Amino acid sequence: EAGVAQSPRYKIIEKRQSVAFWCNPISGHATLYWYQQILGQGPKLLIQFQNNGVVDDSQLPKDRFSAERLKGVDSTLKIQPAKLEDSAVYLCASSLVRGPTDTQYFGPGTRLTVL
Amino acid sequence: DQQVKQNSPSLSVQEGRISILNCDYTNSMFDYFLWYKKYPAEGPTFLISISSIKDKNEDGRFTVFLNKSAKHLSLHIVPSQPGDSAVYFCGKYNNNDMRFGAGTRLTVKP
Repeated sequence: EAGVAQSPRYKIIEKRQSVAFWCNPISGHATLYWYQQILGQGPKLLIQFQNNGVVDDSQLPKDRFSAERLKGVDSTLKIQPAKLEDSAVYLCASSLVRGPTDTQYFGPGTRLTVL
Repeated sequence: DQQVKQNSPSLSVQEGRISILNCDYTNSMFDYFLWYKKYPAEGPTFLISISSIKDKNEDGRFTVFLNKSAKHLSLHIVPSQPGDSAVYFCGKYNNNDMRFGAGTRLTVKP
């Protein structure tokens, strides 16, 4: 079974530029999550989708971050414009359904460096 | 708002001995607790979990203990193996919200 795929693996941009990350969850997984992991910290949940609807985006900085999951499969996370403090690893995860007992499977992440 | 705290950034143990990783939490009543393990350049992988109605859950070499009065969670690995060397994250799930601690880097020396 293929795991969660993410691209690109690495991205370096200058501040005020825009960037987009792509995630392909495990086939059949209804729930998709985006996390931000800043160096030295644990992953922070930004947004979660159930199929193509947003379940929770309370921790997403909506002035510059946006995410979508068209057709309830792949998802993209965009930052526009980027700031220095956005430097982090962006992790995508998926689970079969939604709930604490349903395991989240993580992709390898995209490491973003903002100069 | 640090709902989950892992106060030890690193831990080093000898192969074959016990590894004990600790986690403190706040603001819980019906939470579900999880441990994830992360190798370099990979995403975290699920290890073991426990619901707030239990005080212990065991899976092979891994046991998680929950002390609700102290709001403390611990992961025991017995015996520790070099392949267990990784960063371990403690997580708390409640009402669609997942919070992770900063992680503890475990090194198991041969």
